[in-house]
Formats: sequence, C-alpha cells, structure tokens
Amino acid sequence: GAGVSQSPSNKVTEKGKDVELRCDPISGHTALYWYRQSLGQGLEFLIYFQGNSAPDKSGLPSDRFSAERTGGSVSTLTIQRTQQEDSAVYLCASSSMGGGETQYFGPGTRLLVL
Amino acid sequence: EDQVTQSPEALRLQEGESSSLNCSYTVSGLRGLFWYRQDPGKGPEFLFTLYSAGEEKEKERLKATLTKKESFLHITAPKPEDSATYLCAGYNTDKLIFGTGTRLQVFP
Repeated sequence: GAGVSQSPSNKVTEKGKDVELRCDPISGHTALYWYRQSLGQGLEFLIYFQGNSAPDKSGLPSDRFSAERTGGSVSTLTIQRTQQEDSAVYLCASSSMGGGETQYFGPGTRLLVL
Repeated sequence: EDQVTQSPEALRLQEGESSSLNCSYTVSGLRGLFWYRQDPGKGPEFLFTLYSAGEEKEKERLKATLTKKESFLHITAPKPEDSATYLCAGYNTDKLIFGTGTRLQVFP
C-alpha cells in the first residue's frame, strides 16, 4: 500500500508569511508525528497525535507553530509569521498504534524562509 | 536529560571493508531502540527495532545489537549502495529521540 505522503515537497516563502504543510499518513495508522530536521542537527520532535486523544505538543518551539489532524487522518502543520530559523526539512511519520510501534516516515517538506 | 549520541559522525570505507557504527543512549524508560537509513533528500527508512539488551537483528549486510547503554550497527562487506546516513533513535513516552547520525560512504 501507499506510504506516508507529504506536500508540498519544497516550499520557499518570505519572512513573515504563514505556511501550511500537509501530511497523509498510512491508511489505518492511528498515530501521527511531526519532526523537524535542521542542517547538521538530528530530527527534533514537534507534535504527536494518537487517535482522538489530546495531542502531545511538547516539542513545538513557539506559539507560531500549530498542528491539527482532521478525521483522524490528514494532518496540517502551520507556521505563522515565518522566520529564517524555521528553514528546515519537516518530516511526518505514522505508526499503527503509537507506543513504540515502528514509525514510517514521509519524504519531508523542505522549507526555505528568505 | 534524554540523549542519543552517534559515532563516528562520518565513516569512509572501501567496498568489502567491514565496520561498526555506535549509538550511545541515556533515555529514561526506553521502550525501543530504532535504526533508520536516510538517503539524501529523502525521509528516514526503517531498518530495525531492538527492545531488550542482548537482542540482535540482521538484514542483508547489516546487523544491529543492543546493550543497556549502547547499540551497534555492524556492516559486513559493505557495497557502494550502502552509502547513506544511518540514524539511531530511542523511543520514550510519545516520541523518538534521535542522534545526529553517521554519514557512511562506501567506495568501490
């Protein structure tokens, strides 16, 4: 079956603009994660959704970052008033149940803030 | 603080030259140690999960092992197509805690 898909694959924006990044998880996976990969750094956890539970937002770096998951499937990560330090690859992953089950990653969205 | 450290940062091998990548971790309540492979411009690709000390898993030329403090990824007789960044991550509560990876280059 299809893997995790993300769109757009690349996004260039100007400082101060808002951006939306989309993730389509593997069908049937109840857990969805967002990570950020900056140049020369490891993947950094942002947010975790599991079923209908309240999301774990502990990794969001500022209140400019938010995410939602509609209908337990598609997720959107929104960055408001983008800054140059937001430039990174944003990766989405899904797993069948969460709780240590294998996370399968999408190809990522490469965001460049000018 | 939970932390995962990988070494070396970069490794150059001749085709057929076996070696090992190290992943040291201090993750409270570790619920799994994961290895991923990442090619340039792509998302991480799952390789292995190890759950308890002493566990070993193999796939083709790769073998992953786990102790209470570290994990090793052994590469036997590597080929150029094994060139990639190898990522190690510990699972704790709701998230994976990643190391910064080992960039492996295998030359023919």
